[in-house]
Amino acid sequence: QSALTQPASVSGSPGQSITISCTGTSSDVGGYNYVSWYQQHPGKAPKLMIYDVSNRPSGVSNRFSGSKSGNTASLTISGLQAEDEADYYCSSYTSSTVVFGGGTKLTVL
Amino acid sequence: QVQLVQSGAEVKKPGASVKVSCKVSGYTLTELSMHWVRQAPGKGLEWMGGFDPEDGETIYAQKFQGRVTMTEDTSTDTAYMELSSLRSEDTAVYYCATPSTIVYDFWSAPIWRYFDLWGRGTLVTVSS
Repeated sequence: QSALTQPASVSGSPGQSITISCTGTSSDVGGYNYVSWYQQHPGKAPKLMIYDVSNRPSGVSNRFSGSKSGNTASLTISGLQAEDEADYYCSSYTSSTVVFGGGTKLTVL
Repeated sequence: QVQLVQSGAEVKKPGASVKVSCKVSGYTLTELSMHWVRQAPGKGLEWMGGFDPEDGETIYAQKFQGRVTMTEDTSTDTAYMELSSLRSEDTAVYYCATPSTIVYDFWSAPIWRYFDLWGRGTLVTVSS
């Protein structure tokens, strides 16, 4: 089972918006509305930021939003802040298993 | 407040086995579907497998089948992940993770939509 495809890195300045893509297939991202996104700071466990494509867990800033079109999901972070600098991973349910993306390093310039 | 408390770091030789534990507090293990995710140094997250509490079966990622065993001790609310025939590529941080809610599809198969509860991770180093 292949990992979902994410850009290795993205960057933006404080206050700007960035979008991270996550491309899969019709068997995972395109086949289910069960895409989730995780934020991971160095040495820490991943933190759930978005679930079911576009829902935010309680306590997550509304600067984080998710969407999906076909086999590609996207995470958008608006009003970039220094603390948003981290690695971001997408994930999708797929036929009784789970697949993650390779991860994207977000740098806040 | 739910917490997943993992066992400490391990150093193992190639060919050996390692068993990592994950103790649940604030919930009972039977209410959860425990999964294991690993992360090699500088690499991404990799799902290893997860437990279906509906039928009591564990589903393993194809890559690890035959080499990983996930078990649970409900008397102590502790989940275990044992990986055998260790090689250097197995050096990684191993996380236990679980969704706080589980939904099922029409055929009563669990749909693992997300993981909102994570342990802090256990570093397993495989080195001769």
